[in-house]
Amino acid sequence: ILNVEQSPQSLHVQEGDSTNFTCSFPSSNFYALHWYRWETAKSPEALFVMTLNGDEKKKGRISATLNTKEGYSYLYIKGSQPEDSATYLCASLTGTASKLTFGTGTRLQVTL
Amino acid sequence: KAGVTQTPRYLIKTRGQQVTLSCSPISGHRSVSWYQQTPGQGLQFLFEYFSETQRNKGNFPGRFSGRQFSNSRSEMNVSTLELGDSALYLCASSFDSLTDGYTFGSGTRLTVV
Repeated sequence: ILNVEQSPQSLHVQEGDSTNFTCSFPSSNFYALHWYRWETAKSPEALFVMTLNGDEKKKGRISATLNTKEGYSYLYIKGSQPEDSATYLCASLTGTASKLTFGTGTRLQVTL
Repeated sequence: KAGVTQTPRYLIKTRGQQVTLSCSPISGHRSVSWYQQTPGQGLQFLFEYFSETQRNKGNFPGRFSGRQFSNSRSEMNVSTLELGDSALYLCASSFDSLTDGYTFGSGTRLTVV
């Protein structure tokens, strides 16, 4: 993996569904992995910063895991709500701690 | 506390002109990064400044430049504007990118006509 890649590109779920997204990143010279939520007409908002292999972080119904050896992270949303509708971005600090490289994001739409 | 402030919010320029965008980071944040977002593209890294020094630069032509002042405020300049430079330009500041997420400004929407 040379770049940060996210899948799926978009996702449409019903309220109450649980969902997860994948982020793949270069695993060599890894420093940190960031997750952001970007709602329409707003600025990206930081969700998590993870650095250690096996790290797991949680904020309310949202949680994330990190595997630095194989270069992937998962973001989970439990019991999706319409207000969770946003684009979820992951970004890695790899090779340097001064260049945060973003994936193209997963666009989540939650309907009633 | 005050967030990251970017000015102006919107800008319309003509091809060939130059433009300067401004970013005031959160107080105490010494790292400022700039990103470009165009339709269909993710956030493309432009450059990062820390204590007035450019520590990293993205894959953009030399027409894109920036600087950071002693109060951590940053400016980015684009000379000889092209139609393809039309984009949302976002600035983000952080205290420590290894522990803290970036705080983004609202962005400057640049349209080149």
